[in-house]
Amino acid sequence: KQEVTQIPAALSVPEGENLVLNCSFTDSAIYNLQWFRQDPGKGLTSLLLIQSSQREQTSGRLNASLDKSSGRSTLYIAASQPGDSATYLCAPGDNDMRFGAGTRLTVKP
Amino acid sequence: EAEVAQSPRYKITEKSQAVAFWCDPISGHATLYWYRQILGQGPELLVQFQDESVVDDSQLPKDRFSAERLKGVDSTLKIQPAELGDSAMYLCASSSNQETQYFGPGTRLLVL
Repeated sequence: KQEVTQIPAALSVPEGENLVLNCSFTDSAIYNLQWFRQDPGKGLTSLLLIQSSQREQTSGRLNASLDKSSGRSTLYIAASQPGDSATYLCAPGDNDMRFGAGTRLTVKP
Repeated sequence: EAEVAQSPRYKITEKSQAVAFWCDPISGHATLYWYRQILGQGPELLVQFQDESVVDDSQLPKDRFSAERLKGVDSTLKIQPAELGDSAMYLCASSSNQETQYFGPGTRLLVL
Protein backbone atom coordinates (compact mmCIF):
# COMPACT_ATOMS: atom_id res chain seq x y z
CA LYS A 1 0.00 0.00 0.00
CA GLN A 2 1.49 3.30 -1.13
CA GLU A 3 2.14 5.90 1.58
CA VAL A 4 2.82 9.47 0.46
CA THR A 5 4.34 12.12 2.72
CA GLN A 6 4.76 15.79 1.92
CA ILE A 7 7.08 18.04 3.88
CA PRO A 8 6.65 20.73 5.04
CA ALA A 9 2.91 20.75 5.73
CA ALA A 10 2.88 24.54 5.51
CA LEU A 11 5.35 27.13 4.32
CA SER A 12 5.30 30.93 4.38
CA VAL A 13 7.89 32.91 2.43
CA PRO A 14 8.40 36.49 1.24
CA GLU A 15 7.90 37.22 -2.42
CA GLY A 16 10.90 36.49 -4.63
CA GLU A 17 12.29 33.55 -2.68
CA ASN A 18 13.18 30.25 -4.30
CA LEU A 19 11.66 27.28 -2.51
CA VAL A 20 11.55 23.49 -2.51
CA LEU A 21 8.62 21.25 -1.69
CA ASN A 22 9.28 17.61 -0.86
CA CYS A 23 7.32 14.45 -1.58
CA SER A 24 8.29 10.94 -0.49
CA PHE A 25 6.57 7.66 -1.30
CA THR A 26 7.06 4.12 -0.09
CA ASP A 27 6.40 2.03 -3.20
CA SER A 28 8.78 2.82 -6.06
CA ALA A 29 6.82 0.74 -8.60
CA ILE A 30 5.24 3.80 -10.18
CA TYR A 31 4.75 4.69 -13.85
CA ASN A 32 4.74 8.46 -13.30
CA LEU A 33 4.44 11.16 -10.65
CA GLN A 34 2.26 14.21 -10.92
CA TRP A 35 2.37 17.53 -9.07
CA PHE A 36 -0.86 19.49 -8.65
CA ARG A 37 -1.90 22.86 -7.36
CA GLN A 38 -5.16 23.38 -5.47
CA ASP A 39 -6.67 26.75 -4.61
CA PRO A 40 -9.07 26.88 -1.64
CA GLY A 41 -12.42 25.25 -2.42
CA LYS A 42 -11.39 24.40 -5.97
CA GLY A 43 -10.39 21.34 -7.95
CA LEU A 44 -6.81 20.35 -8.72
CA THR A 45 -4.75 21.80 -11.53
CA SER A 46 -1.99 19.67 -13.00
CA LEU A 47 1.41 21.38 -12.92
CA LEU A 48 3.90 18.75 -14.05
CA LEU A 49 3.94 15.07 -14.95
CA ILE A 50 7.19 13.12 -14.73
CA GLN A 51 7.33 9.70 -16.35
CA SER A 52 9.11 6.98 -14.36
CA SER A 53 11.92 6.95 -16.94
CA GLN A 54 12.53 10.68 -16.54
CA ARG A 55 14.54 12.54 -13.90
CA GLU A 56 12.92 15.95 -14.16
CA GLN A 57 10.41 18.18 -15.88
CA THR A 58 10.30 21.95 -16.18
CA SER A 59 7.50 24.39 -16.84
CA GLY A 60 8.25 28.08 -16.51
CA ARG A 61 9.37 28.79 -12.94
CA LEU A 62 8.60 25.24 -11.85
CA ASN A 63 10.98 22.31 -11.90
CA ALA A 64 10.11 18.86 -10.61
CA SER A 65 12.61 16.08 -10.08
CA LEU A 66 12.06 12.38 -9.50
CA ASP A 67 14.33 9.85 -7.81
CA LYS A 68 12.24 6.75 -8.18
CA SER A 69 14.68 4.38 -6.49
CA SER A 70 14.74 6.42 -3.29
CA GLY A 71 11.03 7.25 -3.43
CA ARG A 72 11.44 11.02 -3.59
CA SER A 73 10.32 13.94 -5.69
CA THR A 74 10.87 17.64 -5.25
CA LEU A 75 9.08 20.64 -6.69
CA TYR A 76 11.26 23.71 -7.06
CA ILE A 77 9.57 27.09 -7.44
CA ALA A 78 11.81 29.93 -8.56
CA ALA A 79 11.20 33.60 -7.75
CA SER A 80 7.97 32.94 -5.88
CA GLN A 81 5.00 35.30 -6.35
CA PRO A 82 1.88 35.95 -4.24
CA GLY A 83 -0.13 34.21 -6.97
CA ASP A 84 1.74 31.00 -6.18
CA SER A 85 -0.07 30.82 -2.84
CA ALA A 86 -2.00 27.52 -2.86
CA THR A 87 -1.75 23.93 -1.67
CA TYR A 88 0.64 21.76 -3.67
CA LEU A 89 -0.04 18.03 -3.86
CA CYS A 90 1.98 15.17 -5.28
CA ALA A 91 0.56 11.88 -6.55
CA PRO A 92 2.74 8.90 -7.49
CA GLY A 93 1.03 7.17 -10.38
CA ASP A 94 0.46 3.51 -9.67
CA ASN A 95 -2.48 1.16 -9.20
CA ASP A 96 -3.37 2.84 -5.90
CA MET A 97 -3.37 6.50 -7.03
CA ARG A 98 -2.70 7.94 -3.58
CA PHE A 99 -2.10 11.61 -2.86
CA GLY A 100 -0.04 13.32 -0.22
CA ALA A 101 -1.81 15.69 2.19
CA GLY A 102 -0.13 18.62 0.48
CA THR A 103 2.04 21.60 1.36
CA ARG A 104 0.13 24.81 1.97
CA LEU A 105 2.23 27.64 0.55
CA THR A 106 1.78 31.32 1.36
CA VAL A 107 3.86 33.88 -0.51
CA LYS A 108 3.74 37.30 1.15
CA PRO A 109 4.01 40.49 -0.95
CA GLU B 1 -9.68 24.13 -23.80
CA ALA B 2 -11.57 20.96 -22.88
CA GLU B 3 -12.53 20.60 -19.22
CA VAL B 4 -14.03 18.05 -16.89
CA ALA B 5 -17.55 19.08 -15.94
CA GLN B 6 -19.19 18.27 -12.61
CA SER B 7 -22.61 19.02 -11.17
CA PRO B 8 -23.92 20.14 -8.85
CA ARG B 9 -21.17 22.38 -7.48
CA TYR B 10 -22.72 22.39 -4.02
CA LYS B 11 -25.15 20.05 -2.32
CA ILE B 12 -26.73 20.25 1.12
CA THR B 13 -28.71 17.26 2.28
CA GLU B 14 -29.96 15.67 5.45
CA LYS B 15 -28.56 12.41 6.72
CA SER B 16 -30.33 9.30 5.44
CA GLN B 17 -31.21 11.05 2.16
CA ALA B 18 -29.88 9.98 -1.23
CA VAL B 19 -27.52 12.18 -3.24
CA ALA B 20 -26.06 11.86 -6.71
CA PHE B 21 -23.15 13.57 -8.43
CA TRP B 22 -22.50 13.74 -12.16
CA CYS B 23 -19.24 13.97 -14.07
CA ASP B 24 -18.56 14.49 -17.76
CA PRO B 25 -14.88 13.80 -18.58
CA ILE B 26 -12.80 15.31 -21.33
CA SER B 27 -13.87 13.85 -24.66
CA GLY B 28 -11.82 10.80 -25.59
CA HIS B 29 -10.50 10.12 -22.10
CA ALA B 30 -11.01 6.46 -21.37
CA THR B 31 -10.06 6.62 -17.69
CA LEU B 32 -12.33 8.31 -15.16
CA TYR B 33 -11.69 8.69 -11.44
CA TRP B 34 -13.88 9.66 -8.50
CA TYR B 35 -12.11 11.01 -5.41
CA ARG B 36 -13.27 12.17 -2.00
CA GLN B 37 -11.33 14.95 -0.30
CA ILE B 38 -11.82 15.77 3.36
CA LEU B 39 -10.76 19.27 4.39
CA GLY B 40 -7.03 19.44 5.04
CA GLN B 41 -6.28 16.09 3.41
CA GLY B 42 -5.31 14.88 -0.03
CA PRO B 43 -7.89 13.30 -2.34
CA GLU B 44 -8.71 9.64 -1.69
CA LEU B 45 -9.54 7.46 -4.68
CA LEU B 46 -13.03 5.97 -4.48
CA VAL B 47 -13.38 4.34 -7.89
CA GLN B 48 -11.54 4.17 -11.20
CA PHE B 49 -13.16 3.33 -14.53
CA GLN B 50 -11.51 2.23 -17.75
CA ASP B 51 -14.21 2.91 -20.35
CA GLU B 52 -17.35 1.43 -18.76
CA SER B 53 -15.52 -1.08 -16.56
CA VAL B 54 -14.54 -0.62 -12.93
CA VAL B 55 -10.82 -1.29 -12.49
CA ASP B 56 -10.50 -0.26 -8.84
CA ASP B 57 -13.23 0.30 -6.26
CA SER B 58 -11.36 -1.07 -3.26
CA GLN B 59 -11.85 2.15 -1.27
CA LEU B 60 -15.52 2.60 -2.18
CA PRO B 61 -17.89 2.00 0.79
CA LYS B 62 -20.11 -0.31 -1.19
CA ASP B 63 -22.83 -0.56 1.42
CA ARG B 64 -23.86 3.02 0.64
CA PHE B 65 -21.88 4.23 -2.38
CA SER B 66 -22.35 3.21 -5.99
CA ALA B 67 -20.83 4.44 -9.24
CA GLU B 68 -21.60 3.78 -12.85
CA ARG B 69 -20.35 4.76 -16.27
CA LEU B 70 -22.82 2.96 -18.46
CA LYS B 71 -21.71 4.10 -21.91
CA GLY B 72 -18.10 4.73 -21.01
CA VAL B 73 -18.52 8.49 -21.18
CA ASP B 74 -20.15 10.38 -18.30
CA SER B 75 -20.46 8.95 -14.82
CA THR B 76 -22.67 9.15 -11.75
CA LEU B 77 -21.66 8.64 -8.12
CA LYS B 78 -24.48 7.97 -5.67
CA ILE B 79 -24.66 7.88 -1.89
CA GLN B 80 -27.65 6.27 -0.21
CA PRO B 81 -28.18 6.88 2.64
CA ALA B 82 -25.92 9.86 3.30
CA GLU B 83 -24.18 10.07 6.67
CA LEU B 84 -22.68 13.04 8.50
CA GLY B 85 -19.19 11.73 7.82
CA ASP B 86 -19.78 11.91 4.07
CA SER B 87 -19.43 15.69 4.13
CA ALA B 88 -16.48 16.38 1.84
CA MET B 89 -15.48 17.54 -1.64
CA TYR B 90 -16.12 14.95 -4.34
CA LEU B 91 -13.74 15.31 -7.25
CA CYS B 92 -13.87 13.74 -10.68
CA ALA B 93 -10.84 13.44 -12.94
CA SER B 94 -10.12 11.93 -16.33
CA SER B 95 -7.01 10.90 -18.21
CA SER B 96 -5.85 9.21 -21.37
CA ASN B 97 -3.70 6.09 -20.94
CA GLN B 98 -2.23 6.78 -17.49
CA GLU B 99 -1.13 10.24 -18.49
CA THR B 100 -1.96 13.59 -16.90
CA GLN B 101 -5.11 13.60 -14.79
CA TYR B 102 -7.43 16.54 -15.38
CA PHE B 103 -9.76 17.44 -12.54
CA GLY B 104 -13.20 18.99 -12.49
CA PRO B 105 -14.19 21.78 -10.07
CA GLY B 106 -15.66 19.30 -7.59
CA THR B 107 -18.95 18.97 -5.73
CA ARG B 108 -18.95 20.13 -2.14
CA LEU B 109 -21.33 18.02 -0.08
CA LEU B 110 -22.65 18.99 3.34
CA VAL B 111 -24.70 16.44 5.24
CA LEU B 112 -26.78 17.85 8.11
